Amino acid sequence: EIVLTQSPTTMAASPGEKVTLTCRASSSVSYMHWYQQRSGTSPKLWIYETSKLASGVPNRFSGSGSGTSYSLTINSMETEDAATYYCQQGSSYPLTFGSGTKLEIK
Amino acid sequence: QVNLLQSGAALVKPGASVKLSCKASGYTFTDYYIHWVKQSHGKSLEWIGYINPNSGYTNYNEKFKSKATLTVDKSTNTAYMELSRLTSEDSATYYCTRQLYLRRFDYWGQGVMVTVSS
Repeated sequence: EIVLTQSPTTMAASPGEKVTLTCRASSSVSYMHWYQQRSGTSPKLWIYETSKLASGVPNRFSGSGSGTSYSLTINSMETEDAATYYCQQGSSYPLTFGSGTKLEIK
Repeated sequence: QVNLLQSGAALVKPGASVKLSCKASGYTFTDYYIHWVKQSHGKSLEWIGYINPNSGYTNYNEKFKSKATLTVDKSTNTAYMELSRLTSEDSATYYCTRQLYLRRFDYWGQGVMVTVSS
């Protein structure tokens, strides 16, 4: 099973600040997907195949990475970006998710 | 528009079983695999398994092989997950979700909360 470790677990950012969330895989994966989940709602596909933005995702978001290290970056934090972000690997079964990064607004 | 509508919250006794439903609309049901994901309160997401609605083929996370059974009813475009021998560890929110290329999930049900309590 591929274990995904996200860091930090929790962070707070000020409006306008640049934010980078990290996801590390225990074995190399070919790509990473990312989901945003706000409290009390279902996860939403946010970034897929490492760097492609899902429909409706603002272009201040970007994704990058390869092998065992992936990241999600917000160029300029906005209030609406406060949520928990999960990475997910689809390279091998069982499919796994990271433990999540809770992003708060300062 | 694509929609996955899940059944309502369930309160079940320890040792019992529960069958959750996920009714798909807005697309051809048999064209996409349906996966199920568990989220314990305040925790991360766990993949349970998937079913191919066209063939009925299933693939389970080893951890859930003796816990979950996935089925579909093509006549009603509905996927089901039955959870058996429930314990407090099974109390969680369960989501159904549709798989796209490279095993990403584009649409999710609203989730159903299962509470196991006597």
